Amino acid sequence: GAGVSQTPSNKVTEKGKYVELRCDPISGHTALYWYRQSLGQGPEFLIYFQGTGAADDSGLPNDRFFAVRPEGSVSTLKIQRTERGDSAVYLCASSLGQGLAQTEAFFGQGTRLTVV
Amino acid sequence: AQSVTQLDSQVPVFEEAPVELRCNYSSSVSVYLFWYVQYPNQGLQLLLKYLSGSTLVKGINGFEAEFNKSQTSFHLRKPSVHISDTAEYFCAVSLGGGGNKLTFGTGTQLKVEL
Repeated sequence: GAGVSQTPSNKVTEKGKYVELRCDPISGHTALYWYRQSLGQGPEFLIYFQGTGAADDSGLPNDRFFAVRPEGSVSTLKIQRTERGDSAVYLCASSLGQGLAQTEAFFGQGTRLTVV
Repeated sequence: AQSVTQLDSQVPVFEEAPVELRCNYSSSVSVYLFWYVQYPNQGLQLLLKYLSGSTLVKGINGFEAEFNKSQTSFHLRKPSVHISDTAEYFCAVSLGGGGNKLTFGTGTQLKVEL
């Protein structure tokens, strides 16, 4: 596709359940980012991949959150034992991967996660 | 660690009027500065960025921003807004020298009225 694709666009889950959020980056982009945007807040960094490896996962809030990118393309953000506080819009972005000074990060439309 | 403050959560303005959206940052090291726009039901889109050099940066859609190191500000301006500029605007900062992590402000909702 032409842009970053995130699925599903909306996800409602019960407290305690496990969820997976998917991100398809722009073809050829080696860098992939996950952000979380809570209501009334700006996006908050979660994790950054360069290729298959997580180059910076300092934003993951706790060990219930995990992300993978096994083939260096599609990424999945996994949340275990969801809590109501996890409700937010989860944003994915990708870039050519030489740093934000040299390349632009393109964002997807996000997945709105609601934990009830 | 760096941080970004956008003091105005909402800015109403009439069409064809000028607008300034304020952004202040805090960092002990050199940073890169960005403005992103989020139109309804769309992803974040880069408006402009400051890396180094000229402090006045021009972006898409007629927007510009001025980097002021002494005031640690990076305010966004447009001399004449259009209805289509109605959106949420986010200021962001990353570490200079190759940083890959953006720290965003809380956003400013620009509402352009007829």
